[in-house]
Amino acid sequence: DSGVTQTPKHLITATGQRVTLRCSPRSGDLSVYWYQQSLDQGLQFLIQYYNGEERAKGNILERFSAQQFPDLHSELNLSSLELGDSALYFCASTPWGRPTDNYGYTFGSGTRLTVV
Amino acid sequence: GQNIDQPTEMTATEGAIVQINCTYQTSGFNGLFWYQQHAGEAPTFLSYNVLDGLEEKGRFSSFLSRSKGYSYLLLKELQMKDSASYLCAVRRETGANNLFFGTGTRLTVIP
Repeated sequence: DSGVTQTPKHLITATGQRVTLRCSPRSGDLSVYWYQQSLDQGLQFLIQYYNGEERAKGNILERFSAQQFPDLHSELNLSSLELGDSALYFCASTPWGRPTDNYGYTFGSGTRLTVV
Repeated sequence: GQNIDQPTEMTATEGAIVQINCTYQTSGFNGLFWYQQHAGEAPTFLSYNVLDGLEEKGRFSSFLSRSKGYSYLLLKELQMKDSASYLCAVRRETGANNLFFGTGTRLTVIP
Protein backbone atom coordinates (compact mmCIF):
# COMPACT_ATOMS: atom_id res chain seq x y z
CA ASP A 1 0.00 0.00 0.00
CA SER A 2 1.59 3.25 -1.21
CA GLY A 3 -0.57 5.44 1.00
CA VAL A 4 -2.26 7.12 -1.98
CA THR A 5 -5.87 5.95 -2.20
CA GLN A 6 -7.90 6.08 -5.38
CA THR A 7 -11.57 5.20 -5.70
CA PRO A 8 -13.26 3.56 -7.42
CA LYS A 9 -10.85 0.95 -8.80
CA HIS A 10 -13.06 0.21 -11.77
CA LEU A 11 -15.77 2.23 -13.45
CA ILE A 12 -17.92 1.36 -16.43
CA THR A 13 -20.17 4.02 -17.87
CA ALA A 14 -21.89 5.02 -21.08
CA THR A 15 -20.90 7.68 -23.57
CA GLY A 16 -22.17 11.12 -22.70
CA GLN A 17 -22.15 10.46 -18.99
CA ARG A 18 -20.19 12.18 -16.22
CA VAL A 19 -18.01 10.52 -13.59
CA THR A 20 -15.94 11.60 -10.62
CA LEU A 21 -12.66 9.98 -9.65
CA ARG A 22 -11.35 10.47 -6.15
CA CYS A 23 -7.83 10.56 -4.75
CA SER A 24 -6.56 10.86 -1.20
CA PRO A 25 -2.86 11.70 -1.08
CA ARG A 26 -0.33 10.08 1.21
CA SER A 27 -0.52 11.48 4.73
CA GLY A 28 1.39 14.75 4.89
CA ASP A 29 1.62 15.23 1.13
CA LEU A 30 0.31 18.57 -0.10
CA SER A 31 0.51 18.09 -3.85
CA VAL A 32 -1.64 15.88 -6.09
CA TYR A 33 -1.02 15.08 -9.75
CA TRP A 34 -3.44 13.43 -12.18
CA TYR A 35 -2.31 11.35 -15.13
CA GLN A 36 -4.12 9.49 -17.91
CA GLN A 37 -2.73 6.29 -19.39
CA SER A 38 -4.50 4.96 -22.46
CA LEU A 39 -3.77 1.54 -23.94
CA ASP A 40 -0.18 1.40 -25.16
CA GLN A 41 0.29 5.07 -24.33
CA GLY A 42 2.58 6.71 -21.86
CA LEU A 43 1.44 8.54 -18.79
CA GLN A 44 -0.04 11.85 -19.92
CA PHE A 45 -0.01 14.65 -17.37
CA LEU A 46 -3.40 16.24 -16.81
CA ILE A 47 -3.21 18.62 -13.87
CA GLN A 48 -1.49 19.34 -10.55
CA TYR A 49 -2.81 20.84 -7.32
CA TYR A 50 -0.77 22.08 -4.42
CA ASN A 51 -2.37 22.82 -1.08
CA GLY A 52 -5.74 23.46 -2.65
CA GLU A 53 -4.63 25.54 -5.60
CA GLU A 54 -4.06 24.61 -9.23
CA ARG A 55 -0.31 24.59 -9.86
CA ALA A 56 0.17 23.23 -13.37
CA LYS A 57 -1.98 22.13 -16.27
CA GLY A 58 -1.13 19.64 -18.98
CA ASN A 59 -3.14 18.26 -21.87
CA ILE A 60 -6.40 18.27 -19.99
CA LEU A 61 -9.54 18.46 -22.09
CA GLU A 62 -12.12 21.16 -21.42
CA ARG A 63 -14.60 18.37 -20.60
CA PHE A 64 -12.37 17.43 -17.68
CA SER A 65 -11.95 19.41 -14.46
CA ALA A 66 -10.43 18.84 -11.07
CA GLN A 67 -10.16 20.36 -7.64
CA GLN A 68 -8.39 19.81 -4.36
CA PHE A 69 -10.34 20.20 -1.15
CA PRO A 70 -9.25 21.61 2.24
CA ASP A 71 -8.59 18.09 3.53
CA LEU A 72 -6.25 17.73 0.50
CA HIS A 73 -8.16 14.99 -1.26
CA SER A 74 -8.72 15.64 -4.95
CA GLU A 75 -11.43 14.83 -7.43
CA LEU A 76 -11.18 14.55 -11.20
CA ASN A 77 -14.45 15.14 -13.02
CA LEU A 78 -14.88 13.77 -16.52
CA SER A 79 -18.00 14.80 -18.43
CA SER A 80 -19.58 14.14 -21.84
CA LEU A 81 -17.58 10.95 -21.90
CA GLU A 82 -16.40 9.50 -25.19
CA LEU A 83 -15.12 6.03 -26.04
CA GLY A 84 -11.60 7.46 -26.30
CA ASP A 85 -11.67 8.50 -22.66
CA SER A 86 -11.38 4.85 -21.65
CA ALA A 87 -8.07 4.65 -19.81
CA LEU A 88 -6.31 4.16 -16.52
CA TYR A 89 -6.33 7.34 -14.46
CA PHE A 90 -3.56 7.64 -11.91
CA CYS A 91 -3.22 10.02 -9.05
CA ALA A 92 0.19 10.71 -7.49
CA SER A 93 1.27 12.80 -4.54
CA THR A 94 4.37 14.54 -3.22
CA PRO A 95 5.12 16.35 0.03
CA TRP A 96 5.69 19.71 -1.66
CA GLY A 97 5.08 21.18 -5.10
CA ARG A 98 7.65 19.16 -7.05
CA PRO A 99 8.62 15.54 -7.61
CA THR A 100 11.05 14.55 -4.87
CA ASP A 101 14.67 13.52 -5.37
CA ASN A 102 14.17 10.27 -3.53
CA TYR A 103 11.32 8.74 -5.49
CA GLY A 104 9.63 11.33 -7.69
CA TYR A 105 6.00 10.54 -6.98
CA THR A 106 3.99 8.15 -4.87
CA PHE A 107 1.34 6.71 -7.17
CA GLY A 108 -2.10 5.42 -6.32
CA SER A 109 -3.28 2.13 -7.77
CA GLY A 110 -5.38 3.87 -10.39
CA THR A 111 -8.97 3.92 -11.59
CA ARG A 112 -9.76 1.95 -14.73
CA LEU A 113 -12.46 3.79 -16.65
CA THR A 114 -14.30 1.98 -19.41
CA VAL A 115 -16.69 3.98 -21.57
CA VAL A 116 -19.14 1.88 -23.56
CA GLY B 1 8.73 21.17 -24.97
CA GLN B 2 9.93 17.73 -24.07
CA ASN B 3 10.68 14.66 -26.12
CA ILE B 4 11.46 11.30 -24.56
CA ASP B 5 12.19 8.20 -26.62
CA GLN B 6 12.37 4.59 -25.52
CA PRO B 7 12.14 1.33 -27.48
CA THR B 8 8.59 0.01 -27.48
CA GLU B 9 9.34 -3.62 -26.73
CA MET B 10 12.25 -5.83 -25.73
CA THR B 11 12.61 -9.52 -25.03
CA ALA B 12 15.34 -11.13 -22.94
CA THR B 13 16.10 -14.50 -21.42
CA GLU B 14 15.85 -15.38 -17.76
CA GLY B 15 19.22 -14.97 -16.06
CA ALA B 16 20.55 -12.62 -18.72
CA ILE B 17 21.31 -8.88 -18.67
CA VAL B 18 19.22 -6.31 -20.53
CA GLN B 19 19.79 -2.62 -21.16
CA ILE B 20 16.83 -0.31 -21.76
CA ASN B 21 17.74 3.02 -23.34
CA CYS B 22 16.08 6.39 -23.00
CA THR B 23 16.94 9.56 -24.89
CA TYR B 24 15.45 12.90 -24.02
CA GLN B 25 15.35 16.50 -25.14
CA THR B 26 14.23 19.07 -22.62
CA SER B 27 15.07 22.51 -21.40
CA GLY B 28 16.17 22.96 -17.82
CA PHE B 29 16.86 19.29 -17.07
CA ASN B 30 16.76 18.46 -13.36
CA GLY B 31 16.78 14.73 -13.00
CA LEU B 32 15.70 11.49 -14.64
CA PHE B 33 13.63 8.76 -13.03
CA TRP B 34 13.00 5.13 -13.93
CA TYR B 35 9.81 3.39 -12.89
CA GLN B 36 8.61 -0.19 -13.24
CA GLN B 37 4.98 -0.80 -14.10
CA HIS B 38 3.31 -4.19 -14.21
CA ALA B 39 0.26 -4.39 -16.42
CA GLY B 40 -2.71 -2.58 -14.90
CA GLU B 41 -0.79 -1.56 -11.81
CA ALA B 42 0.75 1.65 -10.49
CA PRO B 43 4.29 2.62 -11.48
CA THR B 44 6.85 1.96 -8.76
CA PHE B 45 10.09 3.89 -8.34
CA LEU B 46 13.33 2.21 -9.39
CA SER B 47 16.03 4.86 -9.66
CA TYR B 48 16.91 8.53 -9.90
CA ASN B 49 19.88 10.20 -11.64
CA VAL B 50 20.66 13.90 -11.67
CA LEU B 51 24.46 13.77 -12.13
CA ASP B 52 26.37 11.94 -14.84
CA GLY B 53 27.35 8.41 -14.05
CA LEU B 54 26.08 5.09 -12.85
CA GLU B 55 23.81 4.47 -9.88
CA GLU B 56 23.70 0.86 -8.74
CA LYS B 57 20.96 -0.64 -6.64
CA GLY B 58 21.02 -4.40 -6.38
CA ARG B 59 20.19 -6.04 -9.70
CA PHE B 60 19.20 -2.68 -11.20
CA SER B 61 21.56 0.09 -12.30
CA SER B 62 20.86 3.36 -14.07
CA PHE B 63 23.22 5.54 -16.06
CA LEU B 64 22.94 9.17 -17.11
CA SER B 65 24.83 11.35 -19.60
CA ARG B 66 23.43 14.86 -19.47
CA SER B 67 25.53 16.11 -22.39
CA LYS B 68 24.10 13.38 -24.61
CA GLY B 69 20.56 13.49 -23.24
CA TYR B 70 20.82 9.76 -22.65
CA SER B 71 20.08 7.30 -19.90
CA TYR B 72 19.85 3.56 -19.62
CA LEU B 73 18.46 1.10 -17.12
CA LEU B 74 20.44 -2.10 -16.71
CA LEU B 75 18.74 -5.18 -15.31
CA LYS B 76 20.97 -8.09 -14.32
CA GLU B 77 20.14 -11.72 -13.52
CA LEU B 78 16.74 -11.34 -15.09
CA GLN B 79 13.82 -13.03 -13.41
CA MET B 80 10.39 -13.82 -14.82
CA LYS B 81 8.87 -11.26 -12.46
CA ASP B 82 10.89 -8.54 -14.22
CA SER B 83 8.47 -8.79 -17.14
CA ALA B 84 6.87 -5.33 -17.01
CA SER B 85 6.97 -1.92 -18.63
CA TYR B 86 9.86 0.37 -17.74
CA LEU B 87 9.12 4.08 -17.82
CA CYS B 88 11.69 6.84 -18.20
CA ALA B 89 10.61 10.23 -16.82
CA VAL B 90 12.29 13.64 -16.82
CA ARG B 91 11.98 16.45 -14.29
CA ARG B 92 12.59 20.02 -15.31
CA GLU B 93 14.41 22.64 -13.29
CA THR B 94 11.84 25.37 -13.61
CA GLY B 95 8.43 25.82 -15.04
CA ALA B 96 6.21 22.77 -14.97
CA ASN B 97 6.59 20.85 -11.74
CA ASN B 98 5.45 17.51 -13.05
CA LEU B 99 7.35 14.56 -14.49
CA PHE B 100 7.26 13.95 -18.23
CA PHE B 101 7.09 10.29 -19.10
CA GLY B 102 8.19 8.36 -22.13
CA THR B 103 5.78 5.79 -23.56
CA GLY B 104 7.63 3.02 -21.77
CA THR B 105 9.46 -0.13 -22.83
CA ARG B 106 7.59 -3.40 -22.45
CA LEU B 107 10.08 -6.06 -21.38
CA THR B 108 9.23 -9.73 -21.73
CA VAL B 109 11.46 -12.22 -19.95
CA ILE B 110 11.38 -15.70 -21.44
CA PRO B 111 12.61 -18.96 -19.87
